[in-house]
Amino acid sequence: GAGVSQSPSNKVTEKGKDVELRCDPISGHTALYWYRQRLGQGLEFLIYFQGNSAPDKSGLPSDRFSAERTGESVSTLTIQRTQQEDSAVYLCASSSQGGRGEKLFFGSGTQLSVL
Amino acid sequence: GESVGLHLPTLSVQEGDNSIINCAYSNSASDYFIWYKQESGKGPQFIIDIRSNMDKRQGQRVTVLLNKTVKHLSLQIAATQPGDSAVYFCAENTGGFKTIFGAGTRLFVKA
Repeated sequence: GAGVSQSPSNKVTEKGKDVELRCDPISGHTALYWYRQRLGQGLEFLIYFQGNSAPDKSGLPSDRFSAERTGESVSTLTIQRTQQEDSAVYLCASSSQGGRGEKLFFGSGTQLSVL
Repeated sequence: GESVGLHLPTLSVQEGDNSIINCAYSNSASDYFIWYKQESGKGPQFIIDIRSNMDKRQGQRVTVLLNKTVKHLSLQIAATQPGDSAVYFCAENTGGFKTIFGAGTRLFVKA
């Protein structure tokens, strides 16, 4: 596609439920990132995928969070047993190579609300 | 929907005036800096970048200044327009893939 696509755009869930958020990066981009943005704050790095290398999961806040990526395409961020503090916008970005000093292309995010 | 809240530093400028948005970065080892613009309900969008071997870089109506001595970055927007209203984030890259974002500044442009 022309840009990074994320779905759903909005997700309302009950505390304790699991959610899956999807990201389709720009075609040909080998690097994919997930960020979390809480209300009124900057972007918090979660996880990074680069090609077939092992992902860097250093930003995942707890073991309730996990992500997968199929090759160099779609990625899914899963949050298990959601908590109210998980409410945020989850942003996905991709870049062409994932190397040093590359600009990121972001999707519009998934607004997650945990009731 | 609203993607950012009410607690961000805010800059309010008159349409046609110049805007200056400032940012302090933390890591002296950072060597690549980027400004992103985020409009309500959207993801951040790249505006301009600068590498640490430069002090200034100009784009269309935007200029980024880098002062490595005091670890300070600024974004200047010339002839600010209503469409410039957004939240602006500075970001630093400390080497490798990880880009660290600042808290953001909300720019209001008064017509």
